[in-house]
Amino acid sequence: NAGVMQNPRHLVRRRGQEARLRCSPMKGHSHVYWYRQLPEEGLKFMVYLQKENIIDESGMPKERFSAEFPKEGPSILRIQQVVRGDSAAYFCASSPPGGRDTQYFGPGTRLTVL
Amino acid sequence: AQRVTQPEKLLSVFKGAPVELKCNYSYSGSPELFWYVQYSRQRLQLLLRHISRESIKGFTADLNKGETSFHLKKPFAQEEDSAMYYCALSGPHSGNTPLVFGKGTRLSVIA
Repeated sequence: NAGVMQNPRHLVRRRGQEARLRCSPMKGHSHVYWYRQLPEEGLKFMVYLQKENIIDESGMPKERFSAEFPKEGPSILRIQQVVRGDSAAYFCASSPPGGRDTQYFGPGTRLTVL
Repeated sequence: AQRVTQPEKLLSVFKGAPVELKCNYSYSGSPELFWYVQYSRQRLQLLLRHISRESIKGFTADLNKGETSFHLKKPFAQEEDSAMYYCALSGPHSGNTPLVFGKGTRLSVIA
């Protein structure tokens, strides 16, 4: 089991561009979480998805950010019209069905906005 | 409000000395508590969770509901313990609820 995969590992964008971050959960996992870590801060929850459903997006900024987890393929976190304040590490975690197991983290994508 | 507080940003200890990384939380209900560790250039990984009541790599943590604390302890620190440590909590079913993280404590073990 390869673990949670994220790509790209590093992403550089200019202000106003779009950023797409991908997350492939562990095999057999149907729950995906996205967290953001700003410099000198802990990880902050953004959104929780199951296949084709957004379960909880209470941590997502209201504008420019969106997430999906399609039936096939990875989960995507999309940031439109990036600003310098979006520079952060974005982590994805997955967990299996049932809710009893904990979350397993990917290596993260470090987004830098110039 | 759910909150996890790790009061120490950096903790330096000598090899062989005892280690205690502090964690306090606020949560209305019965949370699950975790310690995650991130070694240099590696992903965040689960170190231990309170419901397991086990010792991993010599580390233990006891949930104290009266003091709302979940401090991480190890009697004799090793150089390989140097890493970033995050305390986290979730609702009762950790696979179905988001984790709330503290800001982390960087442990540096000096030879």
